Amino acid sequence: SVLTQSPSVSATPGQRVTISCSGSSSNIGNNFVSWYQHLPESSPKLLIYNNRRRPSGIPDRFSGSKSGTSATLDITGLQTGDEADYFCGTWDSSLHGVVFGGGTKLTVL
Amino acid sequence: QVQLVQSGAEVKKPGSSVRVSCKASGGSFSDDGVSWLRRAPGQGLEWMGTLIPILGSPHYAQNFQDRVTITADESTSTITMELNSLKSEDTAVYYCAKDLPRDGYKLYGMDVWGQGTSITVSS
Repeated sequence: SVLTQSPSVSATPGQRVTISCSGSSSNIGNNFVSWYQHLPESSPKLLIYNNRRRPSGIPDRFSGSKSGTSATLDITGLQTGDEADYFCGTWDSSLHGVVFGGGTKLTVL
Repeated sequence: QVQLVQSGAEVKKPGSSVRVSCKASGGSFSDDGVSWLRRAPGQGLEWMGTLIPILGSPHYAQNFQDRVTITADESTSTITMELNSLKSEDTAVYYCAKDLPRDGYKLYGMDVWGQGTSITVSS
């Protein structure tokens, strides 16, 4: 994948977890980042767009940030229902297309 | 809020083509773009291309530009994706999704997703 994410992360209910996404100046460094949650047997859901904005209905337990060529998704007050794959995405100005990270599988123990 | 409903699962032979449709309801999508993406088993999300119905001109990802065609029928609010020369590696769940408002030609993400269509390519 063009964007790099850690393959997996785990935490216990109530804890906070941080998921990172690394790219370059042709993508994250000069473009807005979005984050998606993909639950099993469901469609991806937009969690964060324009680096840090939440769509209507997304709880403020989910927050995003960006610094340079990296972006971060923070999830606080973890719940068992947060177990899913999380993807970062953005525009790549060299490829002239949308690119994603390989996804991070969140396990809530 | 617009909803996107996709056509049903299909099994195809290698070398054949598949058409997947995506019908919008509950709102207009003519001014926004609609993208097609896929997720293969054990893999990540992959963007295939987009079309702004009111403009009618598609933009395809480099990896797919020789094999994919995205078209729109505004009269039925339906966007269709056709993928040719299918290979076993094309086995995946395919999604249509409404694009976020663009920054010029840049597309930063998608906010409404269809339910997904499973395409299996097998001899």
